[in-house]
Amino acid sequence: EADIYQTPRYLVIGTGKKITLECSQTMGHDKMYWYQQDPGMELHLIHYSYGVNSTEKGDLSSESTVSRIRTEHFPLTLESARPSHTSQYLCASSEFRGQETQYFGPGTRLLVL
Amino acid sequence: GNSVTQMEGPVTLSEEAFLTINCTYTATGYPSLFWYVQYPGEGLQLLLKATKADDKGSNKGFEATYRKETTSFHLEKGSVQVSDSAVYFCALKSGSTLGRLYFGRGTQLTVWP
Repeated sequence: EADIYQTPRYLVIGTGKKITLECSQTMGHDKMYWYQQDPGMELHLIHYSYGVNSTEKGDLSSESTVSRIRTEHFPLTLESARPSHTSQYLCASSEFRGQETQYFGPGTRLLVL
Repeated sequence: GNSVTQMEGPVTLSEEAFLTINCTYTATGYPSLFWYVQYPGEGLQLLLKATKADDKGSNKGFEATYRKETTSFHLEKGSVQVSDSAVYFCALKSGSTLGRLYFGRGTQLTVWP
């Protein structure tokens, strides 16, 4: 069973607020990912990391930022939330080598009013 | 480039019906192929995978065969249950990338009793 956690699970917040979505994994995985899932279910990779101090932007342009100071922790921050940021955010991790199955957290549903 | 095309949903079936969800792909190199499932309110879980041509992945009564000649990885189940209602994602990991997964748009399956 995957041990990857996301908090909060649900967040309703006003426009202009700064928010941080937390993601932690206890599997010692080097690679971590953030996906944005729109209401039509499609997944868009917005950030990924190959290890500590490594972060890259994904396919979908995002105003969010990420950091990777510790292997197990990969938080995503929005400096100023807007209604267009309303979405579900999924975090995932995988080993650096091998089958590289990605393990997903339960997601954070964000609503910006 | 890498891409996955999935059968559009929604798919609605009666319990015990046969299920097929089509998936075709375009990839550079020799990809690994995956099916993920997302139950309501949850993140994605790996359902099955295949890492080379002619491999068959199977789990929980679901099967998919990696067909290189038709670049396909169709998901099948002989007799669906109400508990199979979920969104199903086909995905590929190309051997030329560093762990990136490319997802299809997802197919919503609803099974009625």
